[in-house]
Amino acid sequence: QSVLTQPPSASGTPGQRVTISCSGSSSNIGSNAVSWYQQLPGTGPKLLIYSSHQLPSGVPDRFSGSKSGTSASLAVSGLQSEDEADYYCASWDASLNGYVFGTGTKVTVL
Amino acid sequence: QVQLVQSGADVKKPGTSVKVSCKTSGYIFTSYSITWVRQAPGQGLEWMGWIILHNGDTNYAQEFQDRVTMTTDTSTSTAYMELRSLRSDDTAVYYCARRTKGIRADGFWDAFDVWGQGTVVTVSS
Repeated sequence: QSVLTQPPSASGTPGQRVTISCSGSSSNIGSNAVSWYQQLPGTGPKLLIYSSHQLPSGVPDRFSGSKSGTSASLAVSGLQSEDEADYYCASWDASLNGYVFGTGTKVTVL
Repeated sequence: QVQLVQSGADVKKPGTSVKVSCKTSGYIFTSYSITWVRQAPGQGLEWMGWIILHNGDTNYAQEFQDRVTMTTDTSTSTAYMELRSLRSDDTAVYYCARRTKGIRADGFWDAFDVWGQGTVVTVSS
């Protein structure tokens, strides 16, 4: 029972822009940075965004992150077939004194 | 390069314990924390806790407080996660990951930047 809510699915055609939302509260996203993880089918998670909008070295700049209030978003521009994966947001939750992951969003490239 | 290599798959009976190892290389072991995350079949990611290597402090998720112990062996740069009193719903892939952190103008941040390959733990009678 995650405290960070994401839409279960999102889709787009190659080249389109897809946006995934992550809704939280004042105890997590509202007061802490957000990270995003990509999980390709059958593999482990990979860090995609840290500090809400920073890209680690090697991550294409087609990916971008933003945060406003108690919500965060991940955008994928120029969607490619290899972007088909599950995406998770995550943040520290001060009320739980623990880390929380979002419910996850499956992105399908049509 | 930085690598986290986990122990192999394990099958356990309900009520027993499992200990998963995570051998690290390519960086100064004690300069980072190691976190553990699990993923039940067809489900999302669940944070279990972390161990801060420079002082050995731990922070466990409330759900696992009384059943999990995270330890390290600095001589081999290896982290361990032991889960006791196993139940069928503990069947999952268990991941270790390196926790990195920093501070920017907009505040403190942390993230899990390098992950192990995962260890499948099956709990079945």
